[in-house]
Amino acid sequence: TQLLEQSPQFLSIQEGENLTVYCNSSSVFSSLQWYRQEPGEGPVLLVTVVTGGEVKKLKRLTFQFGDARKDSSLHITAAQPGDTGLYLCASKGTYKYIFGTGTRLKVLA
Amino acid sequence: NAGVTQTPKFQVLKTGQSMTLQCAQDMNHNSMYWYRQDPGMGLRLIYYSASEGTTDKGEVPNGYNVSRLNKREFSLRLESAAPSQTSVYFCASRRWGEGYNEQFFGPGTRLTVL
Repeated sequence: TQLLEQSPQFLSIQEGENLTVYCNSSSVFSSLQWYRQEPGEGPVLLVTVVTGGEVKKLKRLTFQFGDARKDSSLHITAAQPGDTGLYLCASKGTYKYIFGTGTRLKVLA
Repeated sequence: NAGVTQTPKFQVLKTGQSMTLQCAQDMNHNSMYWYRQDPGMGLRLIYYSASEGTTDKGEVPNGYNVSRLNKREFSLRLESAAPSQTSVYFCASRRWGEGYNEQFFGPGTRLTVL
C-alpha cells in the first residue's frame, strides 16, 4: 500500500512570509493532487500534477512534481491569513485515493 | 446546485447504538466515497462505490456497511458503534473524464461515540 508522508505536520508563520510543504511517497505516483481544507469544511481541490518535473502555479501557490514522481512540494509566496488551513496531498488510483497526513498551516496577521 | 450534502452534521451515540449517515450529490457523478478523518491521520477511505450498483472496501471498512441507494445517494451505516469510531466522516463524489479528475466533498458529520 502506498504511503504518503507530509512535512511539516504543523507550521505557524507571520503574514508575508514564504513557506514550502512537502509530500513524499514510498512509491511512484500516477498523479498527485493537492487539496486545502478549512475548519469545519471538506477538502477542496487546488491542483493536479501528472508529469514528472511539472510545475503549476495558482496565484501565490506554486506546485512542483518531482522528476521521479515520488515527491511533490507546495510553495506559498507572501502568505496571507486566508491561506490558513490543512493542506493534503493525495495519490489517485483507478478509483481509490490515498491521502497524506496533512500539513496544518496557520498564518498570523 | 447543492453539490454534496451530508446529514446529520453532528451526532452523539452511546456504545452499541446504530445509525446511518446520509450522503447525496446532485452533480450526476458515478463514483462516491466515504472517508473518516482523525487527528494526525489525514483522510482514510472506508468504502467507495465506483458506479451505481457497486460498492468496495477501502482501507478501514471494519464496523461499517454502505448502500448505494441510487446514483445520487450513498449511505454509511454503523451497526454497533464503538468509541474508536469517534471521528469526522466525509462523503465525496468524483467527476472524471478526459482532462479532469476531481473529488467534491461534503461538509462532514462529526460523530462522537461515548
